[in-house]
Amino acid sequence: SQQGEEDPQALSIQEGENATMNCSYKTSINNLQWYRQNSGRGLVHLILIRSNEREKHSGRLRVTLDTSKKSSSLLITASRAADTASYFCATEARAGNMLTFGGGTRLMVKP
Amino acid sequence: DTGVSQDPRHKITKRGQNVTFRCDPISEHNRLYWYRQTLGQGPEFLTYFQNEAQLEKSRLLSDRFSAERPKGSFSTLEIQRTEQGDSAMYLCASSLGLVDQYFGPGTRLTVT
Repeated sequence: SQQGEEDPQALSIQEGENATMNCSYKTSINNLQWYRQNSGRGLVHLILIRSNEREKHSGRLRVTLDTSKKSSSLLITASRAADTASYFCATEARAGNMLTFGGGTRLMVKP
Repeated sequence: DTGVSQDPRHKITKRGQNVTFRCDPISEHNRLYWYRQTLGQGPEFLTYFQNEAQLEKSRLLSDRFSAERPKGSFSTLEIQRTEQGDSAMYLCASSLGLVDQYFGPGTRLTVT
């Protein structure tokens, strides 16, 4: 079963704007990860944030984690048309264990 | 190619037939995972191996499903007596120890 919900389910923005996606989960975690998936393709790992971290950056990506609220957000700054994809959060209860994914946010960036 | 590979990429089969998928992990990765993803949903865990040992299986893995990793390298996932509800993308991932899982391109199964 899915770990939690992602919000929004779909997001459409103009190129250059920022995109924010939210993820909520239900159980305690070791880490939370964000993945990207282009239509019909495999998953690409974007960023991992550990349960003792609150914020992490990677290029145009910024991830926050609030373990008290069991929620995370992914911010993509200065979006590009090539960022169009589905984005999934995934939690890992124990390191090296299975990933539990959310339902995903489908992002469309219009040129 | 040093990534995770899966074969075939697409499989169309008739209901009731058996199918087998193969996953080749990144060389020396000791953990191998199988996930299933239906249209519009996130992937769901099926099972994982550490070397040749199958350590955990999801309730989604019914008796018709069996996974093996006989030599601790490649893995196969077999579905017997396929049903239309088995139509999905089957994703394989591998990792070295307890760190990041790298996903393959997936095998898309269509059961008619």
